[in-house]
Amino acid sequence: GAVVSQHPSWVICKSGTSVKIECRSLDFQATTMFWYRQFPKQSLMLMATSNEGSKATYEQGVEKDKFLINHASLTLSTLTVTSAHPEDSSFYICSAWDSQETQYFGPGTRLLVL
Amino acid sequence: KQEVTQIPAALSVPEGENLVLNCSFTDSAIYNLQWFRQDPGKGLTSLLLIQSSQREQTSGRLNASLDKSSGRSTLYIAASQPGDSATYLCAVTSGGGADGLTFGKGTHLIIQP
Repeated sequence: GAVVSQHPSWVICKSGTSVKIECRSLDFQATTMFWYRQFPKQSLMLMATSNEGSKATYEQGVEKDKFLINHASLTLSTLTVTSAHPEDSSFYICSAWDSQETQYFGPGTRLLVL
Repeated sequence: KQEVTQIPAALSVPEGENLVLNCSFTDSAIYNLQWFRQDPGKGLTSLLLIQSSQREQTSGRLNASLDKSSGRSTLYIAASQPGDSATYLCAVTSGGGADGLTFGKGTHLIIQP
């Protein structure tokens, strides 16, 4: 089946720094990638939809200037958390759509901001 | 705005029992519904996907049903095993694979050996 990877799997950073998370579709091309966030004991919440070569579409309440998304190729999307703060600590998961029926999810990145 | 609710939030049963996990959604105009499994600190494993035109899907000991008009889905797990312990998530999408999924909070399942 289709495989999606994320890097890093976990990251600890100081408050005020920026963190970049990569999402790659390893064996298929993904026109669309999605970024989700999951706080402890909460459901996954869609943050943004990323289409290759165009600007990402952000969900209501998600700051586009804080969460920068770049989808430069059909196999790579990046999420940069700028000026991270402790409240940004969360589990970030990406998914990629293969233009068929479903999305394939990455293993997630756990971010802890001190 | 679509909302997905899962009941119960948590469930603990002895192994061997048959289980039913429930999912409801507020907007019946869905494209498909998926059930996922999430192990602690891990990503998602897709279990079953039901298209809006389908009534059920089966995979091994798992059976998922969909009643789109009433906004409900159930996941049936037969002959539960300790390895089934995980959080089970229900998610819907309204626009096909090109749209994001709306997830429920999940049912945390523990199967006692």
